[in-house]
Amino acid sequence: EVQLVQSGAEVKKPGEPLKISCKGSGYSFTSYWIGWVRQMPGKGLEWMGIIYPGDSDTKYSPSFQGQVTISADKSISTAYLQWSSLKASDTAIYYCAFGELYFDYWGQGTLVTVSS
Amino acid sequence: DIVMTQSPDSLAVSLGETATINCKSSQSVLYSSNNKNYLAWYQQKPGRPPKLLIYWASTRASGVPDRFSGSGSGTDFTLTISSLQAEDVAVYYCQQYYTTGTFGQGTKVEIK
Repeated sequence: EVQLVQSGAEVKKPGEPLKISCKGSGYSFTSYWIGWVRQMPGKGLEWMGIIYPGDSDTKYSPSFQGQVTISADKSISTAYLQWSSLKASDTAIYYCAFGELYFDYWGQGTLVTVSS
Repeated sequence: DIVMTQSPDSLAVSLGETATINCKSSQSVLYSSNNKNYLAWYQQKPGRPPKLLIYWASTRASGVPDRFSGSGSGTDFTLTISSLQAEDVAVYYCQQYYTTGTFGQGTKVEIK
């Protein structure tokens, strides 16, 4: 069974770092792009960036370039999304998803809450 | 960055009737070398992750009912839901994957 399992909900303070994860199983992790999508409370989907775990080629939306880092560890079939310094405006659900370039399969989402 | 604009923002349709959602891209997403439109449609129900419905503008994803169809080319695309069912109440998003990726703002479909 194809699955993407994301790490659990996080509550952080502004300025703190964070790294969330997304573990793939049931498919060839190194053969498909895996991406991250933000959904702020009550809002639409925002495409953040994608990584090809086979060679670590990474592409970012201009809106998120420099704000987050996307990485992957193919030895454990896991992709990551990280922040060096969170802001309150980073409060959102973050989905990982994979596919050819469109997203066939999605994780369950990780809720990140940033509040002082 | 390519901007995707959906219309309308919301619509209410009677059960059994047809819902039509439009998506316009700020530049063409048709790749001339393979004649494919890099355009997908997703459905998102409350509290759930999105689900892929259509890719390459008109190819239904596995398991998607045939009442969902996609059409269009270049910059103008349409998602049509024929014979709307209660379970089709959701927000629908288009997404271009021609250059990196961008989603439309979403269209909420409700029952009239």
